Amino acid sequence: DVKVTQSSRYLVKRTGEKVFLECVQDMDHENMFWYRQDPGLGLRLIYFSYDVKMKEKGDIPEGYSVSREKKERFSLILESASTNQTSMYLCASSLWANTEAFFGQGTRLTVV
Amino acid sequence: TQLLEQSPQFLSIQEGENLTVYCNSSSVFSSLQWYRQEPGEGPVLLVTVVTGGEVKKLKRLTFQFGDARKDSSLHITAAQPGDTGLYLCAGVLAGTASKLTFGTGTRLQVTL
Repeated sequence: DVKVTQSSRYLVKRTGEKVFLECVQDMDHENMFWYRQDPGLGLRLIYFSYDVKMKEKGDIPEGYSVSREKKERFSLILESASTNQTSMYLCASSLWANTEAFFGQGTRLTVV
Repeated sequence: TQLLEQSPQFLSIQEGENLTVYCNSSSVFSSLQWYRQEPGEGPVLLVTVVTGGEVKKLKRLTFQFGDARKDSSLHITAAQPGDTGLYLCAGVLAGTASKLTFGTGTRLQVTL
């Protein structure tokens, strides 16, 4: 059974903290994605990666960075968390661009 | 402004009614996908359309890709409570490699 696993379902962090969200896939997929989901805005792409050590900015990269040191792992980093980064974060992976994206269950991050 | 705009944003209907959800853009996509997301879960793929004018049917769901590959629609016949969820379109822009962009979402509620 294909699987994308996010390290935490719920996180509460303080303003200014450095936050790491981890995502692991077991399908040997080339592409990995980080989205944030907010009501009425659908899923907005933060960063994506099409290969190890390769990363591309999505539509809302400000305040975030990513790391992909191994094919199966894609990390999202909030350098200095702010309250406007309170959101649901979803990680996904896909074999190719036009093929099915498989999602993790999401991390609900609250920044206080 | 997001690249893929969905309408309506919310839809509440009774069991047995028909409905159509629209996904529109001013940009050309190499393919479009439709996902459904249930509470507490990540989105799950329903269908992928790749050819302009293509129509795909999945039981009571009919998906259409516009001739110019800028828009898509999802039609549900005789909706059932099990169809309740958030419907999301997603696409890869023509000429871009891996960037999968999602729409704003349509939240569907089907009641008995």
